[in-house]
Amino acid sequence: KNEVEQSPQNLTAQEGEFITINCSYSVGISALHWLQQHPGGGIVSLFMLSSGKKKHGRLIATINIQEKHSSLHITASHPRDSAVYICAVGNQAGTALIFGKGTTLSVSS
Amino acid sequence: SAVISQKPSRDICQRGTSLTIQCQVDSQVTMMFWYRQQPGQSLTLIATANQGSEATYESGFVIDKFPISRPNLTFSTLTVSNMSPEDSSIYLCSVAERGGLGPQETQYFGPGTRLLVL
Repeated sequence: KNEVEQSPQNLTAQEGEFITINCSYSVGISALHWLQQHPGGGIVSLFMLSSGKKKHGRLIATINIQEKHSSLHITASHPRDSAVYICAVGNQAGTALIFGKGTTLSVSS
Repeated sequence: SAVISQKPSRDICQRGTSLTIQCQVDSQVTMMFWYRQQPGQSLTLIATANQGSEATYESGFVIDKFPISRPNLTFSTLTVSNMSPEDSSIYLCSVAERGGLGPQETQYFGPGTRLLVL
């Protein structure tokens, strides 16, 4: 069993839809990261959180430490949101990240 | 925030050759990491590049195959040696501010180097 599990693996949506991507982990963590990877391979850090909720524009990330679960929400999705969204957790020592396999999102207009 | 550049952005190489990937950061950082992302897989940490000492390799990765240099706090190279088609991947350089990956740290990623080995 992977230490970081994401669901769904693939997601298609129509422009304007509300998107939710889930991440569950099985290890103790120092922090959880949500990353966005564009088709060319570059990765952008969207959020880093260790508790509660963060919001940036149309993106919202939540984490429940007790349940070892995080969600990434995209409101009013747009075709430019099409990318791979990766959940990663920092180990408790703060020395390494453990990555999920990513969720491929495709938003059509 | 840290801005990271990588060279080359992509390359096609022949089996048995070696390729050196460069990573340049616009600020001094303590920790630099090299990751590999094989097709359809999640990122896997290859090693942590340490300034002034040998890199720290993760299980399954060895210095002879992936030699790393870190001559200063803003630059590192990763060499993929004696390449085979299985080495076809995206290789990403990453840095963490203030030396760690704890709750207050942010990790930044380079644009990646897409390598195809024929």
